Amino acid sequence: EAGVTQFPSHSVIEKGQTVTLRCDPISGHDNLYWYRRVMGKEIKFLLHFVKESKQDESGMPNNRFLAERTGGTYSTLKVQPAELEDSGVYFCASSLGPGLGRNEQFFGPGTRLTVL
Amino acid sequence: AQRVTQPEKLLSVFKGAPVELKCNYSYSGSPELFWYVQYSRQRLQLLLRHISRESIKGFTADLNKGETSFHLKKPFAQEEDSAMYYCALSGDRDDKIIFGKGTRLHILP
Repeated sequence: EAGVTQFPSHSVIEKGQTVTLRCDPISGHDNLYWYRRVMGKEIKFLLHFVKESKQDESGMPNNRFLAERTGGTYSTLKVQPAELEDSGVYFCASSLGPGLGRNEQFFGPGTRLTVL
Repeated sequence: AQRVTQPEKLLSVFKGAPVELKCNYSYSGSPELFWYVQYSRQRLQLLLRHISRESIKGFTADLNKGETSFHLKKPFAQEEDSAMYYCALSGDRDDKIIFGKGTRLHILP
């Protein structure tokens, strides 16, 4: 089992460009989460999918960020247009579901985004 | 406000000495508390959670609801314990995780 995978591992783009991050959860995990860590700050929740539905998107910073999970498998997070303050590490996590023994979130290695 | 506070950015401890990583939280309700660890060049992984009351790699953490603390302890530090440690909580109304800023633990030989 490869665990949660994320692509790319690093991305360097210029301000105003568009970037799409991808996350493949562990097979069979209905729950998928996006988090990010901006330099010097804590890891912060962005949003939560249950299958293909957005359960909670309260952490999305603004409408330049768009997350999708078509078909309830992999997810993409698009930033358009990117701004300097979007630089950071974007983590994806997945879990089986609610309830003890099922709700442990497994994290991917993260995508480091640098906006110049 | 929901918050997790880790007062130490960096903690250096000699090998064999006791370790205590401090964590305090603020949450109106009954949260679940966790410690996550990230070793060099590895991904973030769950170390332990308060409801399981286990000792993992020699680490323990007791939830103190009166002091709203969840400090991580180990009696004898080992060099392989050097890593970034994050205290975190998950609320009783949703599954999102709220993280502290993390403490870098450096074990000195």
